[in-house]
Amino acid sequence: EVQLLESGGGLVQPGGSLRLSCAASGFTFSSYAMSWVRQAPGKGLGWVSVISGSGGSTFYADSVKGRFTISRDNSKNTLYLQMNSLRAEDTAVYYCANGRGRADIWGQGTMVTVSS
Amino acid sequence: QPVLTQPPSASASLGATVTLTCTLSSGYSNYKVDWYQQRPGKGPRFVMRVGTGGIVGSKGDGIPDRFSVLGSGLNRYLTIKNIQEEDESDYHCGADHGTGSNFVWVFGGGTKLTVL
Repeated sequence: EVQLLESGGGLVQPGGSLRLSCAASGFTFSSYAMSWVRQAPGKGLGWVSVISGSGGSTFYADSVKGRFTISRDNSKNTLYLQMNSLRAEDTAVYYCANGRGRADIWGQGTMVTVSS
Repeated sequence: QPVLTQPPSASASLGATVTLTCTLSSGYSNYKVDWYQQRPGKGPRFVMRVGTGGIVGSKGDGIPDRFSVLGSGLNRYLTIKNIQEEDESDYHCGADHGTGSNFVWVFGGGTKLTVL
């Protein structure tokens, strides 16, 4: 079964750090660019970051540049998002998705809450 | 980069037809747009991609024939015929914009479809 499963979300204080993971199964993970997309409570989707299939190319939304780092381990079929210097406005459900632009597969999301 | 605009809400009676609109900002009339369905509490689901010539590629897995798209000028439309209860969802449109050394993936604000 084709599946993406996010984990690692939780409650963190402003200025804190969190590392999200996304475990992929059912497709050739290394063949796909992978993205993180987030959705603040009651809001629309917002792209966060993308990484190429090899991991050699990455791009970030301006709002997270310099604070978040996307990476992948193709031997473990896993995508990561290291989030540092977290702010209240980073509070959202974080989804991983296969693709850069169009994404056929999405996870169920993991909730990140930044609050004191 | 393009800006995508969607009306926040739409409604239709069971069995009726509804058309959702995603409008690209000026200068981006040649851009393709992807439609995603998001049921409450779930991750997004790819519906189909649309350009000015209509559908681009294939529909997402399990998307019924009742769903169709059209593109005209700056507008990208998603039409749902014979609306069913399970169609009640948020519908998001997205487009990617890359220039080689840069990449962004933008989304509209989403339209909440209510089935009456």
